[in-house]
Amino acid sequence: DAGVIQSPRHEVTEMGQEVTLRCKPISGHDYLFWYRQTMMRGLELLIYFNNNVPIDDSGMPEDRFSAKMPNASFSTLKIQPSEPRDSAVYFCASRQGWHQPQHFGDGTRLSIL
Amino acid sequence: GQQLNQSPQSMFIQEGEDVSMNCTSSSIFNTWLWYKQEPGEGPVLLIALYKAGELTSNGRLTAQFGITRKDSFLNISASIPSDVGIYFCAGQPDNNAGKSTFGDGTTLTVKP
Repeated sequence: DAGVIQSPRHEVTEMGQEVTLRCKPISGHDYLFWYRQTMMRGLELLIYFNNNVPIDDSGMPEDRFSAKMPNASFSTLKIQPSEPRDSAVYFCASRQGWHQPQHFGDGTRLSIL
Repeated sequence: GQQLNQSPQSMFIQEGEDVSMNCTSSSIFNTWLWYKQEPGEGPVLLIALYKAGELTSNGRLTAQFGITRKDSFLNISASIPSDVGIYFCAGQPDNNAGKSTFGDGTTLTVKP
């Protein structure tokens, strides 16, 4: 079975540029999560969706961050404009149902110069 | 918000030794999860626990859901070099199961 698929795996860009991270959840999963992982702050939940609807975006750091889920098989996380402090590994995860465990993608390593 | 205290932060052990790590919370969780993360990859689910007192094994790994619902431990028996990685616990409360809380991880190094 295909797991959670994220793209790109690596992104290096200059500050001020727009960055778009993509995620394809596991088919049939109705929850989708975006996380950010850094050495300093560990794994932070940014936002999650249920049935394509954003449920909780309280972890989104600021207005420069936005996330969408236009359909059940695709989500994006956008940063505009990007800043060096946004450098981190961004993970997408999906889950089927209320109490089931989340399954993670392999992440996008983002470096903002 | 809820916080998880995961310990130890890191462990350096010899191949063949047993390993134990745990997570404690100030709040009650209804699901405990244990993940392993290797370099360049996302966390991979090892064990999921759904009931207080539950003891579950996955090969050499054993995890327990504490009776108080505020703690969980993970044991690895007879460690091998490929056990190297970062182990995370995560708790899910019932009132907002969408938001899992993750521990800061235990970094395990196994010397051959």
